[in-house]
Amino acid sequence: AQKVTQAQTEISVVEKEDVTLDCVYETRDTTYYLFWYKQPPSGELVFLIRRNSFDEQNEISGRYSWNFQKSTSSFNFTITASQVVDSAVYFCALSEAESNYQLIWGAGTKLIIKP
Amino acid sequence: ETGVTQSPTHLIKTRGQQVTLRCSSQSGHNTVSWYQQALGQGPQFIFQYYREEENGRGNFPPRFSGLQFPNYSSELNVNALELDDSALYLCASYIRGSGNTIYFGEGSWLTVV
Repeated sequence: AQKVTQAQTEISVVEKEDVTLDCVYETRDTTYYLFWYKQPPSGELVFLIRRNSFDEQNEISGRYSWNFQKSTSSFNFTITASQVVDSAVYFCALSEAESNYQLIWGAGTKLIIKP
Repeated sequence: ETGVTQSPTHLIKTRGQQVTLRCSSQSGHNTVSWYQQALGQGPQFIFQYYREEENGRGNFPPRFSGLQFPNYSSELNVNALELDDSALYLCASYIRGSGNTIYFGEGSWLTVV
């Protein structure tokens, strides 16, 4: 069975601190995709990254970086030098290749950046 | 701006009533999925439509149904509303094939009283 676990319900940091959001997944498939989305209070899910299971390279996009480790089934997300605008709920999601992007979601981590 | 628009943004219905939620996708997006997101939880997959046919369904009863139209719009219908149906309903669309981004709308907030 597929499952995504985001153990951190809420994280609160002061602006400019670095913060890491954890994501652990379970799947029996060898081919799958992992996603991170940001959800501001308006409700819209903003796409951040998609990673396929064959690409274990870490990725950096500005202040955002992602650490994908198949050995521990983890896909963690780090924000460097956090800003108040980063405050939102962040979701990690999994899609097995055969499911045509039917996403299985974690419960989300609420990130609060204090000025 | 994702190019996916949903309507209405907010609505209140009474238990037992029926509701129709609408989604307009980007031109060319042949696949649309609907998700239910209860307060404080992650989204749950309801179903997916590809070229106007249902192409996958989550663990939702038959009173949840949908349609996809040739003009890239779609509908989610819920009959016999229950209090637990209160949630944010999200529409997602994309072009089927590897490497394509999934775009979400801002959702429809449904409250059942």
